[in-house]
Amino acid sequence: EEQLLESGGGLVQPGGSLRLSCAASGFTFSINAMSWVRQAPGKGLKWVSTITSSGGNTYYADSVKGRFTISRDNSKNTVYLQMNSLRAEDTAVYYCAKDTNFDPWGQGTLVTVSS
Amino acid sequence: DIQMTQSPSSLSASVGDRVTITCRASQGISSWLAWYQQKPEKAPKSLIYAASTLQSGVPSRFSGSGSGTDFTLTISSLQPEDFGTYYCQQYNSYPLTFGGGTKVEIK
Repeated sequence: EEQLLESGGGLVQPGGSLRLSCAASGFTFSINAMSWVRQAPGKGLKWVSTITSSGGNTYYADSVKGRFTISRDNSKNTVYLQMNSLRAEDTAVYYCAKDTNFDPWGQGTLVTVSS
Repeated sequence: DIQMTQSPSSLSASVGDRVTITCRASQGISSWLAWYQQKPEKAPKSLIYAASTLQSGVPSRFSGSGSGTDFTLTISSLQPEDFGTYYCQQYNSYPLTFGGGTKVEIK
C-alpha cells in the first residue's frame, strides 16, 4: 500500500522557519514527482510546490516563491519543504502527495504562524 | 494561470439521487483533470484522474467526463458516505490549480 507520512509542523513566529518532511513507502519513490499542497483553516486546497523525480526541476506557487524550497532524498524516500520568512497567511495544513495528479495524500501536518 | 471554476458551490441531495458537479477551465487542458473527495478533518482522496479514469477501489457510481475546458463528475446514485467536499484540479500546466470546491450534503 502506498503511504505518505508528514512531520515537522508546529507553531512558529512570523519571520521564522520550519522544515517539513514527508516519508514515502509502498511505491518506487525515485521515479515519481512529489508535491506539497496546503489548506488554510476553512478554505480550499492550494498547490504549493512540486519536484521532479530526480530533483532536477522544481516548481512553486507565486505566493511562496523565494521563501520555500522543496527538495528530496531518494535514498531516504523522503521529500522536504523548507519554509523561511513565514507569514500568518502561511498558516495551513500541509499535505504531501505523489505526482501532479495527487495520489495518494499524506495525513497532513499543521503549520501555525503566530506571535 | 489556469482558473478552475466549479459549480455548484454546494448542494443537498437525497440518497439515491443522481448528482452532477461541473468544472470549467479558463483555457484548454486536454484531459489533464483530476477529482478529489475530502471529508471533514481528513486528507483529500483521489477519485478520478485523466478526466475519466477511476482510481482503484473507487465505487463505480462515480464517473468523470469531459475534455478541453468543460468537465463533469457524476455520482449515479448518492450514498450516505458520499458527503463531503469535492474538488477538481488541473495538472496540464504550472501553477497547478484547484476549483473552489463543491460541498455535498445528504438530505
